[in-house]
Amino acid sequence: QVQLQESGPGLVKPSETLSLTCTVSGGSIRSYYWMWIRQSPGKELEWVGYIYDTGKANYNPSLKSRVTISVDASKNLLSLKLSSVTAADTAVYFCARGGDYGDRRYFDLWGRGSLVTVSS
Amino acid sequence: EVVLTQSPGTLSLSPGERATLSCRASQSISSSYLAWYQQKPGQAPRLLIYTTSSRATGIPDRFSGSGSGTDFTLTISRLEPEDFAVYYCQQYGITSYSFGQGTKLEI
Repeated sequence: QVQLQESGPGLVKPSETLSLTCTVSGGSIRSYYWMWIRQSPGKELEWVGYIYDTGKANYNPSLKSRVTISVDASKNLLSLKLSSVTAADTAVYFCARGGDYGDRRYFDLWGRGSLVTVSS
Repeated sequence: EVVLTQSPGTLSLSPGERATLSCRASQSISSSYLAWYQQKPGQAPRLLIYTTSSRATGIPDRFSGSGSGTDFTLTISRLEPEDFAVYYCQQYGITSYSFGQGTKLEI
């Protein structure tokens, strides 16, 4: 059974870089699209970006200048970096998997999420 | 960017009743690009429906999706106690994605 687990600091200072890791266990990272999605407290979901196992990535245009998503297929790890954070970046960050056979239209498996608070 | 608007914001029903949730897109989208998720407090969203009407693995057949163009619907035929949650629609836009603001289904 494939599981996703996000990890990283729960508190980041304004203007610094948020860094999260998603560990994929019980299955391979290959041949799937992997997403980062965030949810601000009491607010709707926002797509951050995705990456394929080859390293091909695409980002939300509103975050593109600050986001980097990378993958280490040998370790089944995904990572998210968001630079120059502000309080508006406070959210629960989820990693999620696209559908089978490289289908990136929807997300069929999610991690439990990692709350990141931006505060001095 | 396609904006998804869900209605109603809150839907109050009882177990055994039928629930109809709406998702309207700001422009026409392919029915292949519309999905629905369920989220309970403190949990990650769970995929219910993809490509407008296909149920995800393990989803009971009381959940169904329909629609086309700009209007899409999630229907729960007979509400079970575990169905009370927040529901989101989501669209795939080739280079980006967007979600609706959610409908809270409460007892």
